[in-house]
Amino acid sequence: AQSVTQPDIHITVSEGASLELRCNYSYGATPYLFWYVQSPGQGLQLLLKYFSGDTLVQGIKGFEAEFKRSQSSFNLRKPSVHWSDAAEYFCAVGDSGGYQKVTFGTGTKLQVIP
Amino acid sequence: GAVVSQHPSRVICKSGTSVKIECRSLDFQATTMFWYRQFPKKSLMLMATSNEGSKATYEQGVEKDKFLINHASLTLSTLTVTSAHPEDSSFYICSASKAGVGETQYFGPGTRLLVL
Repeated sequence: AQSVTQPDIHITVSEGASLELRCNYSYGATPYLFWYVQSPGQGLQLLLKYFSGDTLVQGIKGFEAEFKRSQSSFNLRKPSVHWSDAAEYFCAVGDSGGYQKVTFGTGTKLQVIP
Repeated sequence: GAVVSQHPSRVICKSGTSVKIECRSLDFQATTMFWYRQFPKKSLMLMATSNEGSKATYEQGVEKDKFLINHASLTLSTLTVTSAHPEDSSFYICSASKAGVGETQYFGPGTRLLVL
């Protein structure tokens, strides 16, 4: 069964600092990988996704993620964090077998301090 | 494009009553819709997957008689919480995807249910 681990429950960074959120997955085949962001009381917004091809994926809001098969990782990065980036971030792995079932990690809450 | 709406955004009901939540894909046809439940400070738990015109597939541990899902058209799915109890209080989120393997899921804004 597929699974996702986000080892950091809560991260605090200063505004303007760089950010890296960790994500490790478990899946038997080539995974479909996603990062979503959720603001308080809101639904999820897709930041970026990886299906195949270039392992460095660019997303919205200046985010990027790199797929590393050897490490089973798909870490999310941003070079300079803005106060508006404070939110909950979810990594997810999708079923490439056509069922489209997506399994989410437990999320990382990002706090941005001035 | 790929906007998904949910209605209502927030609902309070008495214990024992039923509540219906609608999920609509506004600008695309959704072959598949998903219903999730999110507990406070927790991840999303997939409840069921529904394909237009067929019965929903429920995840293990989800009571299909309690959480009725209908996907009557390519743009609308409904979740009815029957005989709601306080433990059903939660944040319910739907998502919709277009046809195709591995298509991205687009999420609705969620519905906050409080059962008194």
